[in-house]
Amino acid sequence: DIQMTQSPSSLSASVGDRVTITCRASQSITTYLNWYQQRPGRAPKLLIYAASRLQSGVPSRFSGSGSGTDFTLTISSLQPEDFATYYCEQTYITPPRMFGQGTKVEVK
Amino acid sequence: EVQLVESGGGLVQPGGSLRISCAASGFSFGSYSMDWVRQAPGKGLEWVSYISGSTNIKYYADSVKGRFTISRDNAKNSLYLEINRLRDDDTAVYYCARDRASGCSGGSCYGWNFDLWGRGTRVTVSS
Repeated sequence: DIQMTQSPSSLSASVGDRVTITCRASQSITTYLNWYQQRPGRAPKLLIYAASRLQSGVPSRFSGSGSGTDFTLTISSLQPEDFATYYCEQTYITPPRMFGQGTKVEVK
Repeated sequence: EVQLVESGGGLVQPGGSLRISCAASGFSFGSYSMDWVRQAPGKGLEWVSYISGSTNIKYYADSVKGRFTISRDNAKNSLYLEINRLRDDDTAVYYCARDRASGCSGGSCYGWNFDLWGRGTRVTVSS
């Protein structure tokens, strides 16, 4: 199975900050990489698919980049509603569908 | 409205059984593969099972293989998960999710993504 490792596991940031979250795959997954946001008590929500494609309706302050084994989710200017946990997911070799362990973005 | 609504969760004793459901509306349900994803309390997301739209292909996570059965009724726009021989570590919120192709461009395709999620149904295994 392909393992997905996110870093950091948590971070503290303020409104307006630029935030970067990294996801590393245990082998190349080309660009078969998705990012999800999960607010407390809510279902996950798709933000980015195919490494860099913005899901419809998602604000443009979210962006994704990377290919192969290393990927990045960037929030250009953190908003109050962005305090949440973020997960990456690979779909290059399935099953199983593998998620990263999550990165929690907290208020500084 | 395009949505997924799970139901059927509850408190079950270890070794017991439960069937949870997911009702889809607002889209052509039979045209999509569907999955179950769970989240144990305070933990991350764990993929559980997959079923294709109309060809009855099914996959399971190793942790549930032989105990869980996924099924669907396209005429009723419904997805199901039969959960047997429940264990403490099956305690989780169970989400159904729509599986969408990420598309192709220039001869390259980009995998799949979960573009629609339900709100989840909680399954608690406890004596």
